[in-house]
Amino acid sequence: QLQLQESGPGLVKPSETLSLTCTVSGGSISTSDYYWGWIRQPPGKGLECIGSVYYSGTTYYSPSLRSRVTMSVDTSKNQCSLKLSSVTAADTAVYYCARSSGSYGDAFDIWGQGTVVTVSS
Amino acid sequence: QSVLTQPPSASGTPGQRVTISCSGSSSNIGKNYVCWYQQLPGTAPKLLIYRNNQRPSGVPDRFSGSKSGTSASLAISGLRSEDEADYYCAAWDDSLSGHWVFGGGTKLTVL
Repeated sequence: QLQLQESGPGLVKPSETLSLTCTVSGGSISTSDYYWGWIRQPPGKGLECIGSVYYSGTTYYSPSLRSRVTMSVDTSKNQCSLKLSSVTAADTAVYYCARSSGSYGDAFDIWGQGTVVTVSS
Repeated sequence: QSVLTQPPSASGTPGQRVTISCSGSSSNIGKNYVCWYQQLPGTAPKLLIYRNNQRPSGVPDRFSGSKSGTSASLAISGLRSEDEADYYCAAWDDSLSGHWVFGGGTKLTVL
């Protein structure tokens, strides 16, 4: 069955760029009908969708983060990635990768376990 | 501050029926499907309801969703202790080129 695994540095310095990768196993990232999303959850707070990316490169970003976000897909590695620039302590969160499926009205039906990212000097 | 509004907490006793509300606007719930996620402590969210009222396979029929206008609700009947979790509503928002918006979450306590 399809599985998602986030990876990347757990500690990022303020003003630097946060870079995370989501590896898809058990299926192809290039399958039509799926987008690949990034959702984050600050400590003790709710969920925030950062954005989503299609294997062709089409992206949808949260308006509040659009100026700092870049998402992409590497079909050869079956991975998608997230870059968030100029980070501050407010970007400290658990970052989840998730699949958005047209079969479920584009809801996120499969999630990774999440990776903790702390922004601190 | 979340785009979709949920009560921060809800509670019930085993066997009871509990509902959680989710309020949005014409650019999100008013035009698009609503989905609901359940997040157990320390785990990733799990899709509970999609397309307003559809359940993925494996989700008990004790969970049901509905939508009317710019509001939606999640109902849990026959409440069980394992239902104690955080619940989030979400919908696509057509404004500003489109993006997903979430509610702030409702912590359900089973007394």
